[in-house]
Amino acid sequence: GNSVTQMEGPVTLSEEAFLTINCTYTATGYPSLFWYVQYPGEGLQLLLKATKADDKGSNKGFEATYRKETTSFHLEKGSVQVSDSAVYFCALSDGGGSNYKLTFGKGTLLTVNP
Amino acid sequence: KAGVTQTPRYLIKTRGQQVTLSCSPISGHRSVSWYQQTPGQGLQFLFEYFSETQRNKGNFPGRFSGRQFSNSRSEMNVSTLELGDSALYLCASREGTSGVADTQYFGPGTRLTVL
Repeated sequence: GNSVTQMEGPVTLSEEAFLTINCTYTATGYPSLFWYVQYPGEGLQLLLKATKADDKGSNKGFEATYRKETTSFHLEKGSVQVSDSAVYFCALSDGGGSNYKLTFGKGTLLTVNP
Repeated sequence: KAGVTQTPRYLIKTRGQQVTLSCSPISGHRSVSWYQQTPGQGLQFLFEYFSETQRNKGNFPGRFSGRQFSNSRSEMNVSTLELGDSALYLCASREGTSGVADTQYFGPGTRLTVL
């Protein structure tokens, strides 16, 4: 079946450091790829998405590029802030129509220190 | 537009009881999905409803069930609660018209504790 593997962390960075969270996937067909973020005590918020190979999703300074050749969707940000501290989930959607669901990675806890 | 809402936010139950969780999707969204989040298993898909019909189901026992109403609101029921059912239950909605490119939007979740 489909699966998502992401670095589990935790990741601890200083403010203004560069962030990379690796995500690779296994899927049949042509999934869409997502990054969601979860702040303490809250649900998941969509951070960015990409729906086809070579697409780049971006939002709030975060970026990720859909790489079909390496089956990867790594999350990057050039300069993190304390407010970016959260858990980040990589996910793929498969089975359009009646089989749609999201498959998630285990999540990566990011802590940014001032 | 208002986001996905879930009620209640917190629940405490004892083993053997049953519980019903409620979800109101974003206006215009016809699909509602439910996920279970636990520290050990992560985020796992429970089921999806679209136009009052269950279209997809994850690998959970029959104690987990759901339904969707004509206004797209959904309820999830867990019967004969077990300690392992303690989790954050997340509801998500999507328009349901764009296949795999659809985006699911999540509610804040219901934290269920089984004692």
